[in-house]
Formats: sequence, structure tokens, C-alpha cells
Amino acid sequence: KNEVEQSPQNLTAQEGEFITINCSYSVGISALHWLQQHPGGGIVSLFMLSSGKKKHGRLIATINIQEKHSSLHITASHPRDSAVYICAGNNNDMRFGAGTRLTVKP
Amino acid sequence: ETGVTQSPTHLIKTRGQQVTLRCSSQSGHNTVSWYQQALGQGPQFIFQYYREEENGRGNFPPRFSGLQFPNYSSELNVNALELDDSALYLCASSPGGGLNYGYTFGSGTRLTVV
Repeated sequence: KNEVEQSPQNLTAQEGEFITINCSYSVGISALHWLQQHPGGGIVSLFMLSSGKKKHGRLIATINIQEKHSSLHITASHPRDSAVYICAGNNNDMRFGAGTRLTVKP
Repeated sequence: ETGVTQSPTHLIKTRGQQVTLRCSSQSGHNTVSWYQQALGQGPQFIFQYYREEENGRGNFPPRFSGLQFPNYSSELNVNALELDDSALYLCASSPGGGLNYGYTFGSGTRLTVV
């Protein structure tokens, strides 16, 4: 079993839909990161969370430390949101989930 | 210049050869981490350098080695390349020792071993 598990692996949505990607972790972490990776490979850091909730534009990330679970939500999804979304737990080094491939269709 | 820069962007090597990948950290960041991402998988931690010293290592063989320079840029060296070393190699810099600090990622070097 991976230390960081994401679901779903693949997600297809229609433009405008509300999207949720889930992340569960089994190791102790000091922070959880949500990352976005586009087809070229470059990674953009979206959020770093150690508790509660953060919002940036249409993106919202939440974390429940007791349940070792985090979610990334995208409101009013758009085709340009299509990417791989990766969660990673940080404790001296980063442990990554396998990623969720999101495709938003116009 | 801000951001993390990696070079080269793409590279093709032959099995058994050696390769050096380079990473320039974001200004003000003294920690660099290297990751290997095989196709369709999440990145795997290779090692981290903090102020020119190795500060943690993942489950990679000794033929994966690194350096960090006084300006905090870093190199990843891989000797005796194997076909399975074909992957995207990512580096990320952060301003602290790694804990609870935001990471800035480079765009990666795609290595193909033939």
C-alpha cells in the first residue's frame, strides 16, 4: 500500500462542473502539498496545508489531520484546468501520490 | 531571475553511460530536492541537499549521486545508466531545511536511456 493514495486516478468532467480529488496518507507529515502537473512535465505548487482550509481563486484545499485526509476542489471547472493533480506529504522529504488525471471537456 | 531552472530539458543517453543534470534554485532558497518520475507514476524522492550537505536520501542506489554548490545550485549525477533510469527528473528548491516550507519546482529534465 502506498503511503499517499489519491482517488480517483482519472476524472473526466464537463466545463462548469464542481470537481473533488481526494488524498489519504498513512505517514506522519508536517504539511501536505497539492501540485499541478501539465503534459510538458513542469510542476506548479498550488497549496501547502498543515491544517484547515485554503482558497485561491476557484481552487479550495482542505485537510483533516485526525483522519489523515485532504481534498482539492475546483469550482466552475474549465478546460484549462486539465492536468494531473498530485498530492504530496512532507516530512523532511516529500512522499507523492500517483496523481489524478483530470480532463475537463468544453 | 526567479524560479527553478533545470538543464537540459531533454536528453538521450546510451545504457552504461553517465549523465549530469543541473538545477538552479530559486533566489533565497538553500535547499534542493531531486525526484524521479517514471511515466504514469508520482515522483519518487532521490535525495535532498541543504547548505551543500546531503540531508536525506530515498531508496536509490549509490550510482545516483549529487552535489550542491555554494550558490545553492545542484547537480544530479547518474552513473552506469540503465534502461529503467528513463524518466522525468525534477528538482525543487525551498527556503528552509525542508519542513513546512513551500517548494518551487523546475520543469524537469526528460532522460531517455536507449
